[in-house]
Amino acid sequence: NAGVTQTPKFQVLKTGQSMTLQCAQDMNHEYMSWYRQDPGMGLRLIHYSVGAGITDQGEVPNGYNVSRSTTEDFPLRLLSAAPSQTSVYFCASSYTWHTQDNEQFFGPGTRLTVL
Amino acid sequence: GDSVTQMEGPVTLSEEAFLTINCTYTATGYPSLFWYVQYPGEGLQLLLKATKADDKGSNKGFEATYRKETTSFHLEKGSVQVSDSAVYFCALRRSETSYDKVIFGPGTSLSVIP
Repeated sequence: NAGVTQTPKFQVLKTGQSMTLQCAQDMNHEYMSWYRQDPGMGLRLIHYSVGAGITDQGEVPNGYNVSRSTTEDFPLRLLSAAPSQTSVYFCASSYTWHTQDNEQFFGPGTRLTVL
Repeated sequence: GDSVTQMEGPVTLSEEAFLTINCTYTATGYPSLFWYVQYPGEGLQLLLKATKADDKGSNKGFEATYRKETTSFHLEKGSVQVSDSAVYFCALRRSETSYDKVIFGPGTSLSVIP
């Protein structure tokens, strides 16, 4: 199993550009989510999905879109990049969403810089 | 609302020293509690967890006990190694009607020097 994979590892964008961060998992996990990690703020939930075709907003969704057309993939789209979106982005998955002791598995992260 | 508070550090210890990283939480109901570790350049990985009051999670020499009376989940290790240098995140997870709510603390950076 590859676990949770993310591409790219690093990305530099100019303000106003759009891009998609890719996330895939091969563990047949129901629940997938995107976090951003900023210094001193821990991880904040951007969007999440409880299954194919079902997505919802987390704590900081503005400026981001997601879709979940398959169980495996959960891409994150930046519509018009802003410097405030400079961050490290982590994708995570867990087997199910309705058992609160489930472990989350994290990808290696994407470091995004918006100039 | 739900929250997790932990000492931010950075914490610097000598090898074989005793480690405590404090974590307290605020949440309604009975959340599950977790410690995740992030090694340099990597994503987070689960270190240990506890799902109810007085449970003790343990792994790789680390321990933490779910204390409901003090709403705490402090991480301890008796003798740290250089390889334990990482960022440690305390987190809680509470089921709601529509999704699991996961709250992370800000992370505590640990450096262990030989």
